[in-house]
Amino acid sequence: GAVVSQHPSWVICKSGTSVKIECRSLDFQATTMFWYRQFPKQSLMLMATSNEGSKATYEQGVEKDKFLINHASLTLSTLTVTSAHPEDSSFYICSASSRNTDTQYFGPGTRLTVL
Amino acid sequence: QKEVEQNSGPLSVPEGAIASLNCTYSDRGSQSFFWYRQYSGKSPELIMFIYSNGDKEDGRFTAQLNKASQYVSLLIRDSQPSDSATYLCAAGDYQTGANNLFFGTGTRLTVIP
Repeated sequence: GAVVSQHPSWVICKSGTSVKIECRSLDFQATTMFWYRQFPKQSLMLMATSNEGSKATYEQGVEKDKFLINHASLTLSTLTVTSAHPEDSSFYICSASSRNTDTQYFGPGTRLTVL
Repeated sequence: QKEVEQNSGPLSVPEGAIASLNCTYSDRGSQSFFWYRQYSGKSPELIMFIYSNGDKEDGRFTAQLNKASQYVSLLIRDSQPSDSATYLCAAGDYQTGANNLFFGTGTRLTVIP
């Protein structure tokens, strides 16, 4: 099956710093990548959808200047949480799909803790 | 607003029993339906997908789709304690070459040894 990796798997940072999370599709070319956030005991919340080479489409209520998404290649998308604050602490999960797949394959997630 | 609804549970079944998880969706245009399993602290993993009305079986899992009723279900036969997890139902909406998924809030299943 399709494999998606994320790095780092967890990160702890100080308030006000920026954190970059990488999402890679290892064995297929991902034309579209999705970024989700999940707070404890809640469901997945889609943050944004990014197509390779295009600007990301953000969901309502998600600040595009705070959550910078870059999808520069068919195997890599990055999410940068800028000026992170404690309320940004969450489980960030990416997923990827391609024209040859009609489902999303999820990465293992990145747990962000902002002190 | 496209919505996918699930009973949040928790649903408890004894080991060896059949667990039945249900899901309804609001958008009649949804074309594909997915069941993901999510263990605590982990990301979702795909269990099954179904596109056509009727049943689809894969091992101990059976997905059922009724488009007229906008209803999807997942049956887990011979439930095992390792099946204890949150099960997410998702409806697919094909747009611009990607499959945007609308997730339910998940049903937490506990299989009691």
